[in-house]
Amino acid sequence: EDKVVQSPLSLVVHEGDTVTLNCSYEVTNFRSLLWYKQEKKAPTFLFMLTSSGIEKKSGRLSSILDKKELFSILNITATQTGDSAIYLCAVTNPNTGNQFYFGTGTSLTVIP
Amino acid sequence: ETGVTQSPTHLIKTRGQQVTLRCSSQSGHNTVSWYQQALGQGPQFIFQYYREEENGRGNFPPRFSGLQFPNYSSELNVNALELDDSALYLCASSFGGPDSYEQYFGPGTRLTVT
Repeated sequence: EDKVVQSPLSLVVHEGDTVTLNCSYEVTNFRSLLWYKQEKKAPTFLFMLTSSGIEKKSGRLSSILDKKELFSILNITATQTGDSAIYLCAVTNPNTGNQFYFGTGTSLTVIP
Repeated sequence: ETGVTQSPTHLIKTRGQQVTLRCSSQSGHNTVSWYQQALGQGPQFIFQYYREEENGRGNFPPRFSGLQFPNYSSELNVNALELDDSALYLCASSFGGPDSYEQYFGPGTRLTVT
């Protein structure tokens, strides 16, 4: 069965800290791994990764995929209170209507 | 703002009733997926529609059904509501068909079943 496991489940850090969020997956046919940020309701797209070892970067956020070890990490440097959110990881499987398999998310709280 | 809208925002129903949730996709998006997100969980895939036909279904019973209209708006219908159906229901639209990886989520409908 396809599944995604995220860790830690929750994290509390101080502004300025650097955090690393983890996502491991098992999927019968892998197409892509995506990261989303969910602040209140609608998840918003952060990154899509398809190839191992290629870092995607956007400002203070970056992510990398390891297809051999079946995991991805999301790094956030110099955290700000606006980074407080749930971070969701999802993988897609083209054999099942390209459905997204989401993990339970990591709840990040950044305190001033 | 993704351009995907959902209605209603909140809804309270009693067990056994039926509910219809609506989603208006971003302009030009021909694929819509529906997800159920229970409290403290990640979104769970319900089904996907592409050009008005169901194109993949998750592990949900038949009382969860859907429709996609020619203008690509969509409905999720749930019959015989159960307490466990209480959740945030999200729709996500994409362009380029089922192979498209980038989905744009709406703000969701919070359904409470009492």
